[in-house]
Amino acid sequence: QVQLQESGPGLVKPSQTLSLTCTVSGGSISSGSYYWSWIRQPAGKGLEWIGRIHISGSTNYNPSLKSRVTMSVDTSKNQFSLKLSSVTAADTAVYYCARDNTSGGVTTSFDYWGQGTLVTVSS
Amino acid sequence: QSALTQPASVSGSPGQSITISCTGTSSDVGGYNYVSWYQQHPGKAPKLLIFDVSKRPSGVSNRFSGSKSGNTASLTISGLQAEDEADYYCSSYTSSNTRVFGGGTKVTVL
Repeated sequence: QVQLQESGPGLVKPSQTLSLTCTVSGGSISSGSYYWSWIRQPAGKGLEWIGRIHISGSTNYNPSLKSRVTMSVDTSKNQFSLKLSSVTAADTAVYYCARDNTSGGVTTSFDYWGQGTLVTVSS
Repeated sequence: QSALTQPASVSGSPGQSITISCTGTSSDVGGYNYVSWYQQHPGKAPKLLIFDVSKRPSGVSNRFSGSKSGNTASLTISGLQAEDEADYYCSSYTSSNTRVFGGGTKVTVL
């Protein structure tokens, strides 16, 4: 059974960079069969897809966040990561990592999710 | 990219059927059969209910079904149960090779 677990600071100061890591267990990222996504949810609001990464290094980002987002993957640790720069209070949210079910490189759905981690942007 | 449009809330009595709509454009919902649906209970991570418009992952009750017509996808919950009270989100692939979610629908079991 695939499991994902987010980790990282729960508090980030405005204008700084938010950094999160997702550790995958029960399956190898190195198989190359999947993309891996980050999704966030502000309190009381809906889900927002941030972007995805493949072990090849291929990425796709939400156009509204693209200028501030960087994703990377570490196959030796079976992890992938998110960096979001120049954060403001509007970036306060629960951040989820998820596995993309893909068909021909297209993400068709998110079949496994982490439990989520709350990141608060505040001085 | 704009969020897909879902009703804010839908309610029904136990045993009834309800349908949640998800409206997009020809660049997302209408253009591809890559619509998925998620159930989210308070404080929990979303759970995949439907993928590829109408397919159910193993272990998901057959009371949940999906369909699509034009730019609108739908999730139907039949035989509504108390445990179905949750938030539901649709998601679609887009022509920009990105994913977009709906705003979410709160289902209340009366």
